[in-house]
Amino acid sequence: GAGVSQTPSNKVTEKGKYVELRCDPISGHTALYWYRQSLGQGPEFLIYFQGTGAADDSGLPNDRFFAVRPEGSVSTLKIQRTERGDSAVYLCASSSTRDEQFFGPGTRLTVL
Amino acid sequence: AQKVTQAQTEISVVEKEDVTLDCVYETRDTTYYLFWYKQPPSGELVFLIRRNSFDEQNEISGRYSWNFQKSTSSFNFTITASQVVDSAVYFCALSWNSGYALNFGKGTSLLVTP
Repeated sequence: GAGVSQTPSNKVTEKGKYVELRCDPISGHTALYWYRQSLGQGPEFLIYFQGTGAADDSGLPNDRFFAVRPEGSVSTLKIQRTERGDSAVYLCASSSTRDEQFFGPGTRLTVL
Repeated sequence: AQKVTQAQTEISVVEKEDVTLDCVYETRDTTYYLFWYKQPPSGELVFLIRRNSFDEQNEISGRYSWNFQKSTSSFNFTITASQVVDSAVYFCALSWNSGYALNFGKGTSLLVTP
C-alpha cells in the first residue's frame, strides 16, 4: 500500500513569508507526527496528533508554528513569518496505535 | 527528561567487516521504548527495530543484531558482514511510550566501502 506522502518535496521561500507543508498519512493510521531535521542532526519532535486533536504540541518552537488535522487524516504544518533558522527538512510520520512510526520523504524548506 | 547519545559521529569500514553502532540513553521512566531507524542517502527514515524496557532479550534479524542492556542503559546495534548497501545514517531513538513522540540521537553515519 501507499506510504506516507508529503508535499511539496522542496519549498523555497523568502524571509517573512507564510508556508504550508502537507502530510498524507498511511490510510487508517490514527496517529500523525511532525518532526524537523536540521543538517547533521537527528529529527526533532514538533507535534503529535491522535485523530483530529493535538495530543502533544510541546515541540513547536514558538507561536509562528501551527499544525492542523481537521478530519483526522491529512495534516498541514503552517509556519508564519518564516525565518532563515526555519530552514530544515520537515518530516511527517504516521502509525497505528502503539505501533512503530512510518516516515514520509520529507519537505526540504529553504528560507532565503 | 529523556536523552539519547550516539557518540560515534562517523564510522568507515570495508565490506564484510562487522560493525557496532553504540547507543546510550537516559530516562527516568520505568517503562520506555527504544528504536533504531536507518536513513539512507535517499533521506527516508526506515524503521529497523522497537524494544520495550521489559524485554532485554537480544534480537537477531539476518545480518542485524541488537544488544539491550538496562544495567548500562545501552541499546547497541551490530551489522555482521557489512555491505555497501548498509551505508546510511543510523538513528537510535527513545520514547516513554510506544506510539508517542520519539527522542532521537544525533545519528551515526556509516560508510561501507568495497
